[in-house]
Amino acid sequence: QQQVKQSPQSLIVQKGGISIINCAYENTAFDYFPWYQQFPGKGPALLIAIRPDVSEKKEGRFTISFNKSAKQFSLHIMDSQPGDSATYFCAASNRGSTLGRLYFGRGTQLTVWP
Amino acid sequence: EAGVTQFPSHSVIEKGQTVTLRCDPISGHDNLYWYRRVMGKEIKFLLHFVKESKQDESGMPNNRFLAERTGGTYSTLKVQPAELEDSGVYFCASSRGTVYEQFFGPGTRLTVL
Repeated sequence: QQQVKQSPQSLIVQKGGISIINCAYENTAFDYFPWYQQFPGKGPALLIAIRPDVSEKKEGRFTISFNKSAKQFSLHIMDSQPGDSATYFCAASNRGSTLGRLYFGRGTQLTVWP
Repeated sequence: EAGVTQFPSHSVIEKGQTVTLRCDPISGHDNLYWYRRVMGKEIKFLLHFVKESKQDESGMPNNRFLAERTGGTYSTLKVQPAELEDSGVYFCASSRGTVYEQFFGPGTRLTVL
């Protein structure tokens, strides 16, 4: 059973546009929600993360929106750039009981056209 | 500071053969995780070491997979004998502690023919 569901599978955005990737989870015990960015030939790298006690976190052009009641969270990339083209994974973890184990979504392949 | 390294980057073997993957975590990171991504699916947890001890191996698919971390430094993941469904990208990650960021290696792409 997949613990974290991610959509869309692929996304094409024009340069300067907004990229939005959505994730949903079932386990209310999750208390840490990171997003990872992966470029070809590289491993996933932490991009931004949020805890459920806040509804939004912004770092530069990247924002996580978190809706605890709906058990959903999303990544918004403002002013998308060709360099943002990568695969994005949402993830969730219950750091207390699962010792840091991450549950990932299936990934979104983002392509930003110049 | 060197990142997490994995060897080999690619491995192509035939069904029934044995393959050993290696992961070198960031120096000083006691926590080491193995994950796997089968094409088009999510990255799935395999197991977690704290130093040389297995803390959680609930994600290991079956007894054809054996992970070790002797001395609490590098780790190996052996698949014996390999099956077609074992194909995928195997990632290793390390962290200072369970509440800290996990740093991922570049992965080993395993293809079983």
